[in-house]
Amino acid sequence: AQSVTQLDSHVSVSEGTPVLLRCNYSSSYSPSLFWYVQHPNKGLQLLLKYTSAATLVKGINGFEAEFKKSETSFHLTKPSAHMSDAAEYFCVVSDPGSWGKLQFGAGTQVVVTP
Amino acid sequence: EPEVTQTPSHQVTQMGQEVILRCVPISNHLYFYWYRQILGQKVEFLVSFYNNEISEKSEIFDDQFSVERPDGSNFTLKIRSTKLEDSAMYFCAGAVMRGEQYFGPGTRLTVT
Repeated sequence: AQSVTQLDSHVSVSEGTPVLLRCNYSSSYSPSLFWYVQHPNKGLQLLLKYTSAATLVKGINGFEAEFKKSETSFHLTKPSAHMSDAAEYFCVVSDPGSWGKLQFGAGTQVVVTP
Repeated sequence: EPEVTQTPSHQVTQMGQEVILRCVPISNHLYFYWYRQILGQKVEFLVSFYNNEISEKSEIFDDQFSVERPDGSNFTLKIRSTKLEDSAMYFCAGAVMRGEQYFGPGTRLTVT
């Protein structure tokens, strides 16, 4: 079975400073991993995905994530936070053997202060 | 850019009533999904649908739930007799291939 653990339920950063959202995964297979973002009253938007190609994955809005198999981690980073980055972020794993079922982490709420 | 749409955005219903939540996926998507998020909890998988049949379902998706894609565009989730614990945000998603899914904005279901 696969699962993801998001290590922080809330992260507060100042505008212009780096953002780090931590995620560890557990999977019996070589997983597909995703980060989704949910802005208030909006749907879930795909930020980036890892599917066993390059371990450093670049996504939209300046976000990137690095897949580290030895640490079973897939942390999300952004060099400089913007006010519009305030949202909830979900680390998600998909079992390649399933029909695409996504397993969500509990989410990390990001607050950006001026 | 095409988007997944869901209607209604908010549905209030009484316990025991039937509800139908509707989704219009992106036209070239082949795999379809329903998820739900109870307030304060994780997003949970309910069901996947491919080639006009259920391909996988969770233990949550019991006989009270059903899905169909009657006309090749709309994708619906029906709850036959709603319970208080069905109150949640329901998300529809679609994909061209397994894995990378595009989500709708959700329907908030409130059961009173």
